[in-house]
Amino acid sequence: DAKTTQPNSMESNEEEPVHLPCNHSTISGTDYIHWYRQLPSQGPEYVIHGLTSNVNNRMASLAIAEDRKSSTLILHRATLRDAAVYYCILRDGRDFGNEKLTFGTGTRLTIIP
Amino acid sequence: EAGVTQFPSHSVIEKGQTVTLRCDPISGHDNLYWYRRVMGKEIKFLLHFVKESKQDESGMPNNRFLAERTGGTYSTLKVQPAELEDSGVYFCASSQGLQRNTEAFFGQGTRLTVV
Repeated sequence: DAKTTQPNSMESNEEEPVHLPCNHSTISGTDYIHWYRQLPSQGPEYVIHGLTSNVNNRMASLAIAEDRKSSTLILHRATLRDAAVYYCILRDGRDFGNEKLTFGTGTRLTIIP
Repeated sequence: EAGVTQFPSHSVIEKGQTVTLRCDPISGHDNLYWYRRVMGKEIKFLLHFVKESKQDESGMPNNRFLAERTGGTYSTLKVQPAELEDSGVYFCASSQGLQRNTEAFFGQGTRLTVV
C-alpha cells in the first residue's frame, strides 16, 4: 500500500472545527483513502473513506484534493470524546476480498476544554 | 448488536508459557483479522481469515504463533512458547463478506504482558 504522511500531533479547542491533514503523494488511481481513529484504551474505529469526491457522514467529512495527493479529515465541532489518534490509510481497491489495513503513526489529536 | 469481543482483556504470563487469545467477530462477518501493537511500534497486520480459511498469513511473526477459526465463527490466537517481545496489545477485527472497502470493526484488544 502507498505511504501516507501525517503530523504527529495536533491540538484543537473544544467545539471548534478540526482539520486533520494527510499527504499521499504516491497514491495510485485505485487507492481509496480511509480514516480510522483509536480512542484511549480502545481498538481502532472506522471514521470515513473516499476515492475522489468529498464525503460526509455523521462523524466527519473527508475533503480530497483534486490531484488526490492529499486529503483532509474534518471534524466539524470537536468534543472531548474526539481526542484520539487518527490514522489515514490507503487501500488498493483492487485488493478484492483482502481488507487488511496498514497503519502508520497517525496524528494524536488533543482537545482543549 | 454485539460488537467484536476479545478475551481476556489482559493476560500476564511468564516467558515460555502458552497463552490463547480469543476473538468473537460480529455475527455474519466472514472476514476476521488479527493485528497487534508491540511497545512503541505501529499497529501491524498479522493474518486474515475468510470464514474458516486463512486468506493471508503474511504478518505472522514466526511459528510460535498459531491462529485458528474453527467453523468460521470465533477465532483463537495461540502463542507457544511466549517470549518477552510478544508483549503488546492484540486486536481482532471483522468485516462483512467479499465487498470492496467495507468497514472493519475492531475489538477492544487483549493486552499481553510476558514477564
